[in-house]
Amino acid sequence: KAGVTQTPRYLIKTRGQQVTLSCSPISGHRSVSWYQQTPGQGLQFLFEYFSETQRNKGNFPGRFSGRQFSNSRSEMNVSTLELGDSALYLCASSLGVYQETQYFGPGTRLLVL
Amino acid sequence: GENVEQHPSTLSVQEGDSAVIKCTYSDSASNYFPWYKQELGKGPQLIIDIRSNVGEKKDQRIAVTLNKTAKHFSLHITETQPEDSAVYFCASAGEGFQKLVFGTGTRLLVSP
Repeated sequence: KAGVTQTPRYLIKTRGQQVTLSCSPISGHRSVSWYQQTPGQGLQFLFEYFSETQRNKGNFPGRFSGRQFSNSRSEMNVSTLELGDSALYLCASSLGVYQETQYFGPGTRLLVL
Repeated sequence: GENVEQHPSTLSVQEGDSAVIKCTYSDSASNYFPWYKQELGKGPQLIIDIRSNVGEKKDQRIAVTLNKTAKHFSLHITETQPEDSAVYFCASAGEGFQKLVFGTGTRLLVSP
């Protein structure tokens, strides 16, 4: 079975721009969660989706948003990029929503200049 | 808010030695505790997990123990090998949610 895939793998943007990252979960998985990883803050939860509905959201500003499609693929969007948004953005998928094992993708490395 | 403390931040051992990483969580409602290994340039990979109705779980050279009373859980790696070198993260989650709260990570270096 193919693992979680994320595109693009690397991205360079400038301040003020917006960016959309994509995540394709493992086949059959219906839950997708997003995390931000930085050297200073570590791994932080962004949001979680199941059946196209956001079930939980972390403490991030409204510039961070996401959605999930009927095929369970998910996208996250960051508008008005700031330098501090530079990070590795990780997507994880699981079968369901009750403490199911989460499998992570390789991440998208975003650099904001 | 929820918090997971992880120690040590770095750990150097000789090949064949054992390594122990400890985590403490704050949310008494947490009852799922996974451990992830992250190698350079890759996403975290689940290596073992434990649920609150179990005190210990073992998978070959890796074991995890959980003390719910003390809110502690630990990762034990025996007979370490150079390929065990990576950053290890503990995490916790509460009932009904997929939100993982991660520890700050432990960089494990296994020298041949």
